[in-house]
Amino acid sequence: DAGITQSPRHKVTETGTPVTLRCHQTENHRYMYWYRQDPGHGLRLIHYSYGVKDTDKGEVSDGYSVSRSKTEDFLLTLESATSSQTSVYFCAISPGTQETQYFGPGTRLLVL
Amino acid sequence: RKEVEQDPGPFNVPEGATVAFNCTYSNSASQSFFWYRQDCRKEPKLLMSVYSSGNEDGRFTAQLNRASQYISLLIRDSKLSDSATYHCVVTFYGQNFVFGPGTRLSVLP
Repeated sequence: DAGITQSPRHKVTETGTPVTLRCHQTENHRYMYWYRQDPGHGLRLIHYSYGVKDTDKGEVSDGYSVSRSKTEDFLLTLESATSSQTSVYFCAISPGTQETQYFGPGTRLLVL
Repeated sequence: RKEVEQDPGPFNVPEGATVAFNCTYSNSASQSFFWYRQDCRKEPKLLMSVYSSGNEDGRFTAQLNRASQYISLLIRDSKLSDSATYHCVVTFYGQNFVFGPGTRLSVLP
């Protein structure tokens, strides 16, 4: 299995609080991604990174920000969590945009 | 219209059955195609890539029809362990992966 970890694995928070999720890889892949998964939807891309300090928006980026200060770490921040951001969040990595993506174990976030 | 569509199922089949899933995509400028498998409460994992000429991996066969803009996955001799959700994934030129909503398969004893 690809070396990808996510932390925390579960989190319960209250509306209006900031939340940061961390993705860590040991594969030295250039690309890193954050997705959310909700019932009835496939995985939807939030943000992605194509290198240190290089990030771009995905399909559902509103309310989220990201940072990548090191190759191995990609952080997702919810500046002020809302109930609509209750979801399962997956991080993924890949060596290139058209190549296989490998996923982390996911973080289950509940916003009350 | 969604970019990638799948029948959500569930498909309930007995062990040993053959089952097929289809996936349609809306953008003809597509580049790469994959099937991912996701077990309950787990992360998606690559099942197989899909090539223009079709490809097979053991009991699994993937086909691509660019003219009709669909891909298919055939599972022969279904096992209990095949129970999962199967996501069709398409990439378009200059864009990232687009996941279908997934098709849920339950293989029954």
